[in-house]
Amino acid sequence: ETGVTQTPRHLVMGMTNKKSLKCEQHLGHNAMYWYKQSAKKPLELMFVYSLEERVENNSVPSRFSPECPNSSHLFLHLHTLQPEDSALYLCASRWTSGSRGEQFFGPGTRLTVL
Amino acid sequence: AQSVTQLGSHVSVSEGALVLLRCNYSSSVPPYLFWYVQYPNQGLQLLLKYTSAATLVKGINGFEAEFKKSETSFHLTKPSAHMSDAAEYFCAVSSFGNEKLTFGTGTRLTIIP
Repeated sequence: ETGVTQTPRHLVMGMTNKKSLKCEQHLGHNAMYWYKQSAKKPLELMFVYSLEERVENNSVPSRFSPECPNSSHLFLHLHTLQPEDSALYLCASRWTSGSRGEQFFGPGTRLTVL
Repeated sequence: AQSVTQLGSHVSVSEGALVLLRCNYSSSVPPYLFWYVQYPNQGLQLLLKYTSAATLVKGINGFEAEFKKSETSFHLTKPSAHMSDAAEYFCAVSSFGNEKLTFGTGTRLTIIP
């Protein structure tokens, strides 16, 4: 595997389900991000982890719970979601030391909440 | 604070014609600027970046962008559009030591055969 991978690529869940999204980066980076991309809305930054510590939580509802067990893996745990949470969830990573800020993105997980 | 404005949420050009996608930024510190492309049902792919070196930046797939400080602009161009260029394009700004990228709202490029 190369770059940033995300699983699953598609997920359909009911409002009472609990599921998790997984992101893995194979680039040796030390910062990881979750974004939400909804139709007709700008890309929304949800969470930032740097050196495995959460450094940003962009007023995201508690039904979204991130986890970063190590610098290569990032999870987004989902529970009791709402239909308006249906979106493309993108993971990204970057190297912070000497970085010019560019982030590398995974292909995303298309989430549908019924 | 930093921000990006992309003029035109939709742009259509004929195959073989010039592509011009506009991006203006606001930043109180020297910016780093990026263009990303997103094909349907995929993530964002970096096209090119400006990080305070040459003001004319060449990227992948024949795209280039010019940083113009006086105009606070970083417009994306390609001399001759190809059908495969149809996608959504995002301009983004960051700066040294900034953990975050600030994205524009995106421009959907349609290529007319």
